[in-house]
Amino acid sequence: DGGITQSPKYLFRKEGQNVTLSCEQNLNHDAMYWYRQDPGQGLRLIYYSQIVNDFQKGDIAEGYSVSREKKESFPLTVTSAQKNPTAFYLCASIGGKKLFFGSGTQLSVL
Amino acid sequence: EDQVTQSPEALRLQEGESSSLNCSYTVSGLRGLFWYRQDPGKGPEFLFTLYSAGEEKEKERLKATLTKKESFLHITAPKPEDSATYLCAVRSNQAGTALIFGKGTTLSVSS
Repeated sequence: DGGITQSPKYLFRKEGQNVTLSCEQNLNHDAMYWYRQDPGQGLRLIYYSQIVNDFQKGDIAEGYSVSREKKESFPLTVTSAQKNPTAFYLCASIGGKKLFFGSGTQLSVL
Repeated sequence: EDQVTQSPEALRLQEGESSSLNCSYTVSGLRGLFWYRQDPGKGPEFLFTLYSAGEEKEKERLKATLTKKESFLHITAPKPEDSATYLCAVRSNQAGTALIFGKGTTLSVSS
């Protein structure tokens, strides 16, 4: 089945540690996105990529980094500079003018 | 600055009690208004896209409408399985291909 796969579903980060969230899609979509969702808040854009080897900062990029070496993959690294990383992270891709989402990764701080 | 506001934040209904969710927006050139449904701990699921004022879309008990300033998601005779958070989002000339989301309305339907 075509779709967006995020892993892991749950992730725990120790203080000072960098962690990487995986996002893979087999929809052949060019553009991919990372959103952060906090309880009672809307989805906020972290980074997006319109094409391989190119990406742009969203509204809350500080403390995060991304890469886009393959069309299918858009991993997000939460660095130690992100002081409040606890949130639900959603990866998405766009096709037919619609945004399709993965099932999300819940990141918590130990 | 593009902005999306949803109301109410939470809505409790009895099964069969129809109601509407509101999404008001301020954007620099609307290129689409989107409704999503999100269940707890899951990614949002696409419901509708509306492009121009006067447009309407329907799916089962849900009907979305659009004016120049707001959109409504009408829920007719809801069932407990309609309980979820409903998200509204817009794409504007300024935002490029990214969507700007409201904070959502959490709907609870009791039997």
